[in-house]
Amino acid sequence: DAKTTQPPSMDCAEGRAANLPCNHSTISGNEYVYWYRQIHSQGPQYIIHGLKNNETNEMASLIITEDRKSSTLILPHATLRDTAVYYCIVRVGRAAGNKLTFGGGTRVLVKP
Amino acid sequence: ETGVTQTPRHLVMGMTNKKSLKCEQHLGHNAMYWYKQSAKKPLELMFVYSLEERVENNSVPSRFSPECPNSSHLFLHLHTLQPEDSALYLCASSPTGTAVFDTGELFFGEGSRLTVL
Repeated sequence: DAKTTQPPSMDCAEGRAANLPCNHSTISGNEYVYWYRQIHSQGPQYIIHGLKNNETNEMASLIITEDRKSSTLILPHATLRDTAVYYCIVRVGRAAGNKLTFGGGTRVLVKP
Repeated sequence: ETGVTQTPRHLVMGMTNKKSLKCEQHLGHNAMYWYKQSAKKPLELMFVYSLEERVENNSVPSRFSPECPNSSHLFLHLHTLQPEDSALYLCASSPTGTAVFDTGELFFGEGSRLTVL
């Protein structure tokens, strides 16, 4: 699976949009971009994933560049409960076992 | 509530004890996973079971012994652990890679926090 690079931490203001960048310059054509988050002392939670088109769901939007070498997760209106570590992961979509390899992630602190 | 339940949530054991962590999923998935999360380190994949067969074993010491008796249950048997094995152990499940509805999403439990004295 391709490696990803994320900033170690970032702050954002409550009610504002949070834009979380991720670089995955070695991504292969059959690899998807996944985002998970982990609130303190809980298990990781799936947020969203995409292959090459931008995606949106009730939690967030995922913007993938045309060359697929980077992406941005957007939390449109950050709340205090969005404080968590956010992981960007690239992997083959339907590989047997569907294993995910986690990196260090971005520690996001939403401030009032 | 993710549909994946782990017990116990907290466990303290001595280095000579034998204990087990249990994971149960109610999602109809066919793949289950154990991850380890040590303090200030990324999650590490330990074991993967797909259709009750172990398909991944990431060089985990033999003092950790997984068991998957059926597609709904996964155990991690622990014996003669070391203090450095203290960590949060996370279980996850997913559909197998061949299902057309498989989005590749993993569903995680809340974890079992293990302390080895």
